[in-house]
Amino acid sequence: NAGVMQNPRHLVRRRGQEARLRCSPMKGHSHVYWYRQLPEEGLKFMVYLQKENIIDESGMPKERFSAEFPKEGPSILRIQQVVRGDSAAYFCATAGGGTEAFFGQGTRLTVV
Amino acid sequence: GEDVEQSLFLSVREGDSSVINCTYTDSSSTYLYWYKQEPGAGLQLLTYIFSNMDMKQDQRLTVLLNKKDKHLSLRIADTQTGDSAIYFCAERDNTGNQFYFGTGTSLTVIP
Repeated sequence: NAGVMQNPRHLVRRRGQEARLRCSPMKGHSHVYWYRQLPEEGLKFMVYLQKENIIDESGMPKERFSAEFPKEGPSILRIQQVVRGDSAAYFCATAGGGTEAFFGQGTRLTVV
Repeated sequence: GEDVEQSLFLSVREGDSSVINCTYTDSSSTYLYWYKQEPGAGLQLLTYIFSNMDMKQDQRLTVLLNKKDKHLSLRIADTQTGDSAIYFCAERDNTGNQFYFGTGTSLTVIP
């Protein structure tokens, strides 16, 4: 049973390009959570999705950021027109009916 | 969302005990968790406690929960250099669907 898979592990984008971050949940997990981690700022919640639905997007910036979790395939966090301030580690966590949330290894986005 | 707060940094000497503290606001939390993040890695679950318990011990780890004060702590006995990491507390809300994380406490163990 593979764990939560995030890819790519490292992503470099030039300012103004688009970044697509993927998260494949553990088998049987239908809840996906995205977090952003900045140095010395801790882990910040961005969005919570269940299959095909956004449940809570209170942590998402209003512009340029979007997330989806389609019926088939991974959850995608999309950042359009990236800026230097978007450089961070982005983690997804997934949960099913059990007790805990399982984290992926993260995608480290660097905007140059 | 709910607020979960931790101090950002803690330093201890090798062999001493470490105590990492966390406060939260949701009185209807069902589970409370401690996760560990090593450099360059994701978060891994260390331990969790159900909200109707006040203590849980697992080898060198002791979790204390004061539900009245909404205070959670993690004690690491005989702290080792390998314990240097960021420690996150988290709570699960009463719907069971949402997890709220603290900002993390960076533990540095001095040899």
